[in-house]
Amino acid sequence: DVKVTQSSRYLVKRTGEKVFLECVQDMDHENMFWYRQDPGLGLRLIYFSYDVKMKEKGDIPEGYSVSREKKERFSLILESASTNQTSMYLCASSLEFVGGPMNTEAFFGQGTRLTVV
Amino acid sequence: AQKITQTQPGMFVQEKEAVTLDCTYDTSDPSYGLFWYKQPSSGEMIFLIYQGSYDQQNATEGRYSLNFQKARKSANLVISASQLGDSAMYFCAMRESVNDMRFGAGTRLTVKP
Repeated sequence: DVKVTQSSRYLVKRTGEKVFLECVQDMDHENMFWYRQDPGLGLRLIYFSYDVKMKEKGDIPEGYSVSREKKERFSLILESASTNQTSMYLCASSLEFVGGPMNTEAFFGQGTRLTVV
Repeated sequence: AQKITQTQPGMFVQEKEAVTLDCTYDTSDPSYGLFWYKQPSSGEMIFLIYQGSYDQQNATEGRYSLNFQKARKSANLVISASQLGDSAMYFCAMRESVNDMRFGAGTRLTVKP
C-alpha cells in the first residue's frame, strides 16, 4: 500500500513564525503536491514537484515555498505565518504523467490542520 | 481560470436511490485524466474512479460510474443504490500532461435513511 505521511496532524503557530510542514511517501513516486483545503473552496494547489529539486507554482503560491531535496520528501514552508494561512494542508504523491494519465491518481496524507494565532 | 467546476455545494439523496454529482472541466490538452475522490468526515481522501480522455467507454467501479461527455467537457459521477456510508464530500479532479492535478470545490452528499 502507498503510504503518504505528514509529520503533524495538528499544529498551532504564532503569527510571524517560520513553519515547516513535512511530507514523506514510500512508493518512489515522482510527483508530489501540496494543497490547502478550505470550506467552500475545495482543494487548492499551492505547489507541486515533478522531480527532485524541481518545483512548479500552483494556483496560490504566495506566502509559501517548498523544498524537495530527496525524492521521498516534500516540504512546505511558510516563511512568516499569518492568520489567513490557518487551514487544512494536504500532501499527495503520484506516478508521473508519462504517456497518459492512467494510474496517476494521487495518494494523500492524513492532513495537517494548521492554526496561526 | 477555474479548471474544474462543481456547481452543487450540497446534495441530498434517499437511501437506495441513485444520485448524480456534476463536474465540468476546461482544458485544451488532448490527453488528460479525470478523477473522483470521496472525503468522509474522518478527512481521508479516497480515490473512487478514473476516466482517461481517450477512453471510449465510461468508467465503472462497483456502484460508481462516470458519465463522461467529452464534447460537453463533463464528467459526472453516478452513485447507484446509495448507502448511508456514502454521506461525504466528493471532489472531482483533473490531470493534464504538465503533471499538475487540480480539484473542484466539492459537493457534500447527504444520504437520508
